[in-house]
Amino acid sequence: SQQGEEDPQALSIQEGENATMNCSYKTSINNLQWYRQNSGRGLVHLILIRSNEREKHSGRLRVTLDTSKKSSSLLITASRAADTASYFCATPLGAAGNKLTFGGGTRVLVKP
Amino acid sequence: DTGVSQNPRHKITKRGQNVTFRCDPISEHNRLYWYRQTLGQGPEFLTYFQNEAQLEKSRLLSDRFSAERPKGSFSTLEIQRTEQGDSAMYLCASSLGQYDNEKLFFGSGTQLSVL
Repeated sequence: SQQGEEDPQALSIQEGENATMNCSYKTSINNLQWYRQNSGRGLVHLILIRSNEREKHSGRLRVTLDTSKKSSSLLITASRAADTASYFCATPLGAAGNKLTFGGGTRVLVKP
Repeated sequence: DTGVSQNPRHKITKRGQNVTFRCDPISEHNRLYWYRQTLGQGPEFLTYFQNEAQLEKSRLLSDRFSAERPKGSFSTLEIQRTEQGDSAMYLCASSLGQYDNEKLFFGSGTQLSVL
């Protein structure tokens, strides 16, 4: 079973707009990761946020984590057509956290 | 290129046949993972190795599935007596294996179609 669930399932925006997607998870975690997947390709790691962090930035990406609500959000600012992809949150399972479980993803379409 | 490499990229097989996929992780990475992904879904964990030791297997990994990493380098995933429900993208990933909660580096996957 998948621990994380993304919302919305799909998102269509114009180039230059911001895209926000959310992830909810079920059990306590010590970190949460976001990945991107272009169609037919493998996943690429975007950012990791630890449980003692509330917000983290990487370029045009901003990730927040609210452990009390067991939720995270990924914001892509000033989107580009190249941002068209599926975005997944991933949370660790197991004591060592070496197994990641992924949500169902948010499919983002950025129209030029 | 020193990324994770998977072969073949595509495999079409008939139901009942056996198939084997190969994954070459990033050379200094000690952990290797196999995931399965169906259309429109996120990757589902199958199994992972720390060096040559297979440390965990998902309940998704039925007896028809076997994974090996004989020398702690490349890994193979074999599916025996394939079924149409096995059709999916099989993804391999690796990580350094030195710390907990590391990020994963994924290959481009092997797309399996069982006819």
